[in-house]
Amino acid sequence: SQQGEEDPQALSIQEGENATMNCSYKTSINNLQWYRQNSGRGLVHLILIRSNEREKHSGRLRVTLDTSKKSSSLLITASRAADTASYFCATDAEDDYKLSFGAGTTVTVRA
Amino acid sequence: DAGVTQSPTHLIKTRGQQVTLRCSPKSGHDTVSWYQQALGQGPQFIFQYYEEEERQRGNFPDRFSGHQFPNYSSELNVNALLLGDSALYLCASSLFSWGAVEAFFGQGTRLTVV
Repeated sequence: SQQGEEDPQALSIQEGENATMNCSYKTSINNLQWYRQNSGRGLVHLILIRSNEREKHSGRLRVTLDTSKKSSSLLITASRAADTASYFCATDAEDDYKLSFGAGTTVTVRA
Repeated sequence: DAGVTQSPTHLIKTRGQQVTLRCSPKSGHDTVSWYQQALGQGPQFIFQYYEEEERQRGNFPDRFSGHQFPNYSSELNVNALLLGDSALYLCASSLFSWGAVEAFFGQGTRLTVV
């Protein structure tokens, strides 16, 4: 079963707009990561946020983490056509080597 | 610096057959994990190898087995293939750490079982 659930399942926005997607998870975590996947190929690591962090930025990406609500959000600002992809959150837990992924949010950026 | 490489990229097998998928980790990485991704789903953890041992296993039957070689490369073997084994198989490599670990993924092997 999936640890995380992304919301929404799909998102369509105009180029230049911001895209926000959310991830909720069920059990306590050490870290939460966001990955991007283009057209069913390999996953590309975007950003990692530790459980004791609340917000992190990387270029046009902003990630927040609320461990009390067991949720995270990923914001992509000033979206581009190249941002069209599926985005997954992945969590890892204490004494657990695996990454647990959600089902992903599919983002389409229209030119 | 080559990233994670997987072979083959695509594979078609018949139900009941056996398949071997291969993965070379990113240079300097010593840990390899395998994931199965069904269409429209997130990746599911199969197992992880470190120091040539299976360190952790996900909820997959014994038909799924693996191996890690001294050069850290890895193989995933699936026996008695079922139609439901059709999926994208992803290999991820990382450097062992007690802290947070960023995984680097290969482009995957698309397995179709007919």
